[in-house]
Amino acid sequence: GNSVTQMEGPVTLSEEAFLTINCTYTATGYPSLFWYVQYPGEGLQLLLKATKADDKGSNKGFEATYRKETTSFHLEKGSVQVSDSAVYFCALSTLSGSARQLTFGSGTQLTVLP
Amino acid sequence: DAGITQSPRHKVTETGTPVTLRCHQTENHRYMYWYRQDPGHGLRLIHYSYGVKDTDKGEVSDGYSVSRSKTEDFLLTLESATSSQTSVYFCAISDSLTSGRSYEQYFGPGTRLTVT
Repeated sequence: GNSVTQMEGPVTLSEEAFLTINCTYTATGYPSLFWYVQYPGEGLQLLLKATKADDKGSNKGFEATYRKETTSFHLEKGSVQVSDSAVYFCALSTLSGSARQLTFGSGTQLTVLP
Repeated sequence: DAGITQSPRHKVTETGTPVTLRCHQTENHRYMYWYRQDPGHGLRLIHYSYGVKDTDKGEVSDGYSVSRSKTEDFLLTLESATSSQTSVYFCAISDSLTSGRSYEQYFGPGTRLTVT
């Protein structure tokens, strides 16, 4: 079956530090890959996506590249801000049954200190 | 933001009582999903709907039922709530498979359910 493995948190960084959150996946077929972000008390928001190998998703200074050879989709940001403090989820989407279904990693809590 | 609302936002109920959670969308999207979020598990799919009256089971469907009588509403029912169903429940929607954005799911604000 499909699965997503994320680096365990929590991760604590100082403002302007470099961020990497590792994500690897196992899937049949050709999944699409996503990063979602969840701020306290809110639902999940789509941060970025990549739908095929070698695609790079980017948004708000965050980037991730779909690496089929290493089955990875690591999230990076060059300079984090306090406002980036949130929980980050890696996910993959495959067509299963009658719909595209998302499989999520367990989430990584990021805290950025001023 | 996608037009998705969930009600109630918070609920406390007793073991053995029935509970219904509602998801309402204004985007006219075909697909609707119910997830539960628990620490250490990320989000897990409970049920999904691929059209009015068309539903299917997800990974953790035991103890839950769903109904979709119109495009905009998707109901999740716990027939007899148990403490193991204490969780945060999220609804999500996505567009038809022929849409260029069919890969993306948009999430509601969540319902925090506590079963005592």
